[in-house]
Amino acid sequence: GAGVSQSPSNKVTEKGKDVELRCDPISGHTALYWYRQSLGQGLEFLIYFQGNSAPDKSGLPSDRFSAERTGGSVSTLTIQRTQQEDSAVYLCASSSNGRGRPQETQYFGPGTRLLVL
Amino acid sequence: DAKTTQPNSMESNEEEPVHLPCNHSTISGTDYIHWYRQLPSQGPEYVIHGLTSNVNNRMASLAIAEDRKSSTLILHRATLRDAAVYYCILRDVIGHNAGNMLTFGGGTRLMVKP
Repeated sequence: GAGVSQSPSNKVTEKGKDVELRCDPISGHTALYWYRQSLGQGLEFLIYFQGNSAPDKSGLPSDRFSAERTGGSVSTLTIQRTQQEDSAVYLCASSSNGRGRPQETQYFGPGTRLLVL
Repeated sequence: DAKTTQPNSMESNEEEPVHLPCNHSTISGTDYIHWYRQLPSQGPEYVIHGLTSNVNNRMASLAIAEDRKSSTLILHRATLRDAAVYYCILRDVIGHNAGNMLTFGGGTRLMVKP
């Protein structure tokens, strides 16, 4: 595809339910990032995947959050037992390499707007 | 990443140039200066980046102070579509296998008046 895509665009769920958010990065990009943006706040890093390496999970806010990346391409962010404070826009980004290259551009998807009632 | 300071908001008139400032007084010699912007209800998009020299691309220009402690993003003719939050971000080499995730501050909300 031409850019990073995410699905669903919007998700409304009830407190306590599990949700899965999907990200399709740009073809060939080995680095994939998840960020979260709460209402009126800046973007907060969640997790980073690079090729087949172990992911950097240092930004995940709790053990209710997990993510997978299958086959080095599509990624799924899972939030278990959702809480109202999980309501936010979840953004995915990819870049061609990611490793140790501070000049590299990240390309963002449109985000998934999650509302936990 | 070193800290950046930006004004919370700025206003501009349509078709006039806009200069968006960013202070980064603790910048290190290997920090790259990146600008991203986020249009309403969209994900951030890359605008421009530089290290020491001024940079131009189709979207904007980046003017970097000689001591690199500040920089200015220049939109030569603002349009209504340029209304967005503009983020100034410093990125360094923090390890060969490090992810170089972006650290976003509050950014500057640019409002463009017709």
